[in-house]
Amino acid sequence: GENVEQHPSTLSVQEGDSAVIKCTYSDSASNYFPWYKQELGKRPQLIIDIRSNVGEKKDQRIAVTLNKTAKHFSLHITETQPEDSAVYFCAARDTGSARQLTFGSGTQLTVLP
Amino acid sequence: ETGVTQTPRHLVMGMTNKKSLKCEQHLGHNAMYWYKQSAKKPLELMFVYSLEERVENNSVPSRFSPECPNSSHLFLHLHTLQPEDSALYLCASSQYLAGVSSYNEQFFGPGTRLTVL
Repeated sequence: GENVEQHPSTLSVQEGDSAVIKCTYSDSASNYFPWYKQELGKRPQLIIDIRSNVGEKKDQRIAVTLNKTAKHFSLHITETQPEDSAVYFCAARDTGSARQLTFGSGTQLTVLP
Repeated sequence: ETGVTQTPRHLVMGMTNKKSLKCEQHLGHNAMYWYKQSAKKPLELMFVYSLEERVENNSVPSRFSPECPNSSHLFLHLHTLQPEDSALYLCASSQYLAGVSSYNEQFFGPGTRLTVL
């Protein structure tokens, strides 16, 4: 089955700086890679996703890149703000019968004012 | 809250108790999921239902028993749990179980914080 590794587990940046979170996956057939943000005490919410036929996607201050050859994808947050502080999860969706999501272990991002 | 709701939000139970977690989605979705979220670990998919039929069971111990009476409701019945089962249990739904070339966002509920004594 799919295995997703996520790094780093914790990340602190100064407000206004950029943050980068990286994930690798094992199943070359995986074709969909969402990123979820979970604020303290709240539910995970999708913030951006990328499909395997695209190398990069951007939505305002958030961007995701995908390298299918190396089987890794990254989340980039520019001009970070205190409200970006949360746990971020990457995931990869396999092409098995349930098309299930396998999640990374999460990155606690702290944006320091 | 709208979208996906879960009750109870917090549950403390002994190892010999029987309890149930409830999830309800108000989005008209056809697929529902149970996840377990433990500290410092990835979200673990437990069960997947599509159109009220179970399509995935990821080697979950039999002390967890899911039930999906209709496309809007999903239950997780718990009995003789262990302390290591203490975790946040998240329910999610998506419009469909994604096709090979289609993609469906999963919407999560707020979770039930379960503590097993």
